[in-house]
Amino acid sequence: DAEITQSPRHKITETGRQVTLACHQTWNHNNMFWYRQDLGHGLRLIHYSYGVQDTNKGEVSDGYSVSRSNTEDLPLTLESAASSQTSVYFCASNDRLGDTQYFGPGTRLTVL
Amino acid sequence: AQTVTQSQPEMSVQEAETVTLSCTYDTSESNYYLFWYKQPPSRQMILVIRQEAYKQQNATENRFSVNFQKAAKSFSLKISDSQLGDTAMYFCAFMKPPITSGTYKYIFGTGTRLKVLA
Repeated sequence: DAEITQSPRHKITETGRQVTLACHQTWNHNNMFWYRQDLGHGLRLIHYSYGVQDTNKGEVSDGYSVSRSNTEDLPLTLESAASSQTSVYFCASNDRLGDTQYFGPGTRLTVL
Repeated sequence: AQTVTQSQPEMSVQEAETVTLSCTYDTSESNYYLFWYKQPPSRQMILVIRQEAYKQQNATENRFSVNFQKAAKSFSLKISDSQLGDTAMYFCAFMKPPITSGTYKYIFGTGTRLKVLA
C-alpha cells in the first residue's frame, strides 16, 4: 500500500545544530508539504513543493529549508536549530492542490 | 489575509448523540476549498470531509456532514450517532489554490477537542 513516512519520529537536539527531518511518500504525488503543529496555533505551513526542483515558502519558513531532488522525498532542514523550533512536524502530500492531503505520522522535535 | 476560527476549544457528547463543531473563516477569494481533519491521540491527521466552495450542496460522508454557508463564511461539522472512536482533535482548514501563479494558502484553525462519553 502507498504511504507517507517520516523519520525520525522523535528527535532531541541542541541549539545551533543542523537538523534534517526526512519525509518519503510512495503515492507518486506531485505536491508535498511541511507543517509544524504548536499548541494554540493549529498547523502552520512551512514549505511546499509542486514537483521536482520546485520549492516554495509558506507562512513560517524562516530558519527552515527544503529541497526536492525526486518525486518521493522532501527533507526539511533546520540550518541552526533554535528553541522556538521545538514542535511537532508533519509532512503531507497530494496529487492535485484541491485534493485532500495525506499526512505522515509526525516528528516530535525538541531543541534544548 | 485568510483566517480560520474554531471558537470551541473543547466539547463533549454522549455516545449515539449528535454534535456540531463550528468553524468560520475570512477570505475575499471566491475559489477555495474547505476541509475537516481529525487527529486522534495517535497524532495521525485524517481527512473527515472536503467541500469545494463553488458547490452549493453540502458534503456528506456517512455520519459526517457539513453545513456550508458561503455568504456567512461558516463551515460547521455535524457528527451523527457519535462513537467512542470519534474522540479526537478536529481541525477546520481553508485552502486557496494559486491561480496561474501566486501564493498557495493552507490555513488551519486551532482545533476543537471532542470527547465522546460512554
